[in-house]
Amino acid sequence: DTAVSQTPKYLVTQMGNDKSIKCEQNLGHDTMYWYKQDSKKFLKIMFSYNNKELIINETVPNRFSPKSPDKAHLNLHINSLELGDSAVYFCASSRRLAFQETQYFGPGTRLLVL
Amino acid sequence: GESVGLHLPTLSVQEGDNSIINCAYSNSASDYFIWYKQESGKGPQFIIDIRSNMDKRQGQRVTVLLNKTVKHLSLQIAATQPGDSAVYFCAEVPTGANSKLTFGKGITLSVRP
Repeated sequence: DTAVSQTPKYLVTQMGNDKSIKCEQNLGHDTMYWYKQDSKKFLKIMFSYNNKELIINETVPNRFSPKSPDKAHLNLHINSLELGDSAVYFCASSRRLAFQETQYFGPGTRLLVL
Repeated sequence: GESVGLHLPTLSVQEGDNSIINCAYSNSASDYFIWYKQESGKGPQFIIDIRSNMDKRQGQRVTVLLNKTVKHLSLQIAATQPGDSAVYFCAEVPTGANSKLTFGKGITLSVRP
């Protein structure tokens, strides 16, 4: 049973397209996150949601729009994809919004924009 | 600006030896530090954490050391095994930042058989 799952695992698309990545956690956690990992493996937080409420938005372009329909899901929609959006996107969750809570990561979505 | 970084990009060790992975951080206002392991094709996985009021914490085959004076964090892995081969990240959470992890650059640990 996968705790944090993401779909799709791979996504190859053309510049200018719009795409979505889905994330689901079955851990009963309140808080979910999106991270971006670049080609040098650098991981940076993009968004966090707590009980469906946006908490962190790390100066991500408006083309990125997260949506949390319920506590167990946090989807990421990207408009007008650019070459620089190519990266691995990780979803994560934690039991609650507190610094000492362990974050559990999904397997990642590898996005390649051509 | 504040940053979390690692001294070396790669580390190669012999199977059975101990490994030490180092991390320097510059934000003196960080409360909490974590080490993550990322295997190829997978997401980061929690290894061990330490609060700023501690200087050492031990887990199963792993030990994290925190030196606040020089803002240094290290991960020691005893009797390194092939399954330890991965990219390792240190991360910090500044005071008041709730769950906002700031990751350092990853370091690749390669275990020679």
